[in-house]
Amino acid sequence: EAQVTQNPRYLITVTGKKLTVTCSQNMNHEYMSWYRQDPGLGLRQIYYSMNVEVTDKGDVPEGYKVSRKEKRNFPLILESPSPNQTSLYFCASTPDLISTDTQYFGPGTRLTVL
Amino acid sequence: LAKTTQPISMDSYEGQEVNITCSHNNIATNDYITWYQQFPSQGPRFIIQGYKTKVTNEVASLFIPADRKSSTLSLPRVSLSDTAVYYCLVGGDNFNKFYFGSGTKLNVKP
Repeated sequence: EAQVTQNPRYLITVTGKKLTVTCSQNMNHEYMSWYRQDPGLGLRQIYYSMNVEVTDKGDVPEGYKVSRKEKRNFPLILESPSPNQTSLYFCASTPDLISTDTQYFGPGTRLTVL
Repeated sequence: LAKTTQPISMDSYEGQEVNITCSHNNIATNDYITWYQQFPSQGPRFIIQGYKTKVTNEVASLFIPADRKSSTLSLPRVSLSDTAVYYCLVGGDNFNKFYFGSGTKLNVKP
């Protein structure tokens, strides 16, 4: 089944404790992206990747890192999480930006930073 | 940068047609307009995409005027299961970034 998976789905952590949220897609998509969703603010793009080893900042990249060493994986790294990073996070992928194909979203990761 | 503006919320009744308008005054020549649907605690789901004029699929219609500064998502005969948040999205000016608006929360009543 074609899908985007994220792990973990739920995470409660404390300020300053490094964490990684994994994202994997099995559709051989080139483009992957991370979003955070907060009440009243909709979805905001954190980072995106056009292809392996190519990443760039979205709208709200501060406090986050990403890597794209393999086409299928795009982990989101919080080196020193803070309470303002408490949010619902979504990973998404799309084949490329030339075609009109859409973004496929993962199920979301709900992160709480105490 | 192409940003979008949508109504925060809308109410409707089962069986009615619902039209949700999105404003995107700074849309770029290469930008497509895409609408997504999101249920609570789930990722957004593609509904429809268009570039100009009218697009229709089995779920919805999308109307885009000639100046492309706005678009209207039309949902025919909504049901309770259409209660969700609807997002209008346009491609970024460099075609790499995606900008979601804050979405329109549609509440369908019986």
